[in-house]
Amino acid sequence: QQPVQSPQAVILREGEDAVINCSSSKALYSVHWYRQKHGEAPVFLMILLKGGEQKGHEKISASFNEKKQQSSLYLTASQLSYSGTYFCGTGNAGGTSYGKLTFGQGTILTVHP
Amino acid sequence: NAGVTQTPKFRVLKTGQSMTLLCAQDMNHEYMYWYRQDPGMGLRLIHYSVGEGTTAKGEVPDGYNVSRLKKQNFLLGLESAAPSQTSVYFCASSARDRRGYTFGSGTRLTVV
Repeated sequence: QQPVQSPQAVILREGEDAVINCSSSKALYSVHWYRQKHGEAPVFLMILLKGGEQKGHEKISASFNEKKQQSSLYLTASQLSYSGTYFCGTGNAGGTSYGKLTFGQGTILTVHP
Repeated sequence: NAGVTQTPKFRVLKTGQSMTLLCAQDMNHEYMYWYRQDPGMGLRLIHYSVGEGTTAKGEVPDGYNVSRLKKQNFLLGLESAAPSQTSVYFCASSARDRRGYTFGSGTRLTVV
């Protein structure tokens, strides 16, 4: 079953912060985050593995709460280059997952000057 | 270092025609995947492969076939195209150690 992302869309001005959430109804082993710009391929941002870790990538960080089966992506002091559609991809526990991901429907982030 | 290369980039098919999409990666990745992307639906897994000579069905496999005769190549075939297969198709690959996917640039397919 597809993870649910919220919000579906968010509009920011440069310098503002945003949080994108990803919730799953299944037990999770991993959560990936990707950003896709219009007409381009998704680009990998970060992966979080089971253990409730938090990761950072410049001004973009994420957390993973395995008990709640949720992950959140934090974008701070947004820049114009952050605009795009953000996808979470969830990997389920189990030895036969083979890295397969189920992606959320995406969150469209627009940053204005 | 090209990463993941998909061909063709665009294609228009008539209903009932067949075609093959080619995905090639030069990163020595074990796992390869084919996803389709439709508006508002994110990316859905069609088929995947965990190594040379092996393939398995994903979430939406009907109407598609795949082959992985060489480790670096993963082919997606449409035997008899239908308008419902109009979509953007992405190939991706990943290493066995659960690192992120590297995606190809996509193939925009229109079936009329």
